Amino acid sequence: NAGVTQTPKFQVLKTGQSMTLQCAQDMNHNSMYWYRQDPGMGLRLIYYSASEGTTDKGEVPNGYNVSRLNKREFSLRLESAAPSQTSVYFCASRVNPAVGSNSGYTFGSGTRLTVV
Amino acid sequence: GQQLNQSPQSMFIQEGEDVSMNCTSSSIFNTWLWYKQDPGEGPVLLIALYKAGELTSNGRLTAQFGITRKDSFLNISASIPSDVGIYFCAGRIGVVGNTPLVFGKGTRLSVIA
Repeated sequence: NAGVTQTPKFQVLKTGQSMTLQCAQDMNHNSMYWYRQDPGMGLRLIYYSASEGTTDKGEVPNGYNVSRLNKREFSLRLESAAPSQTSVYFCASRVNPAVGSNSGYTFGSGTRLTVV
Repeated sequence: GQQLNQSPQSMFIQEGEDVSMNCTSSSIFNTWLWYKQDPGEGPVLLIALYKAGELTSNGRLTAQFGITRKDSFLNISASIPSDVGIYFCAGRIGVVGNTPLVFGKGTRLSVIA
């Protein structure tokens, strides 16, 4: 099983450019999440989608937009990239919380974004 | 937002030593999880805890859900070089539903052979 797949793995952008980070999961999970990881800051939630057709803001949503395209795919868009958005971005998904007690996330391997 | 205080921030230990790290919160959590992140990879779930007082082991790893539901600890016994990485605690306030996990800032573990 592929699990959670993120593309691209690396990206360099110039300030003001836009781009979309792609995420897809093949585990039939309902919930999907976007986190960013910065040194010494841990993982901070940007946006999440509890189910297909819904999205909600997390702790640090400014400068980002998301689209839950279908049950499998959840994309993160930077409309006008800024150096402060240099980070490692992780997508994660979670099994339907109504099923059993498994509430952990499965993470992708990350997208390393540098904005210059 | 909710915050988890994870300590220590980093550890340098000799191979074979035991390791202990913990997370505390001012809020009551109903789920505690421990993740490990290898360099260049995403975090991977190690142990999940769902009940206050619960003690769960996974090989050389043992984690406990604190009685007050405001803390959790992770122990690693007889450390080996492949234990190197960043360990994150995570917690959820909601019991059922889609309340996102809150993550600690991580403990970076280095093992000296």
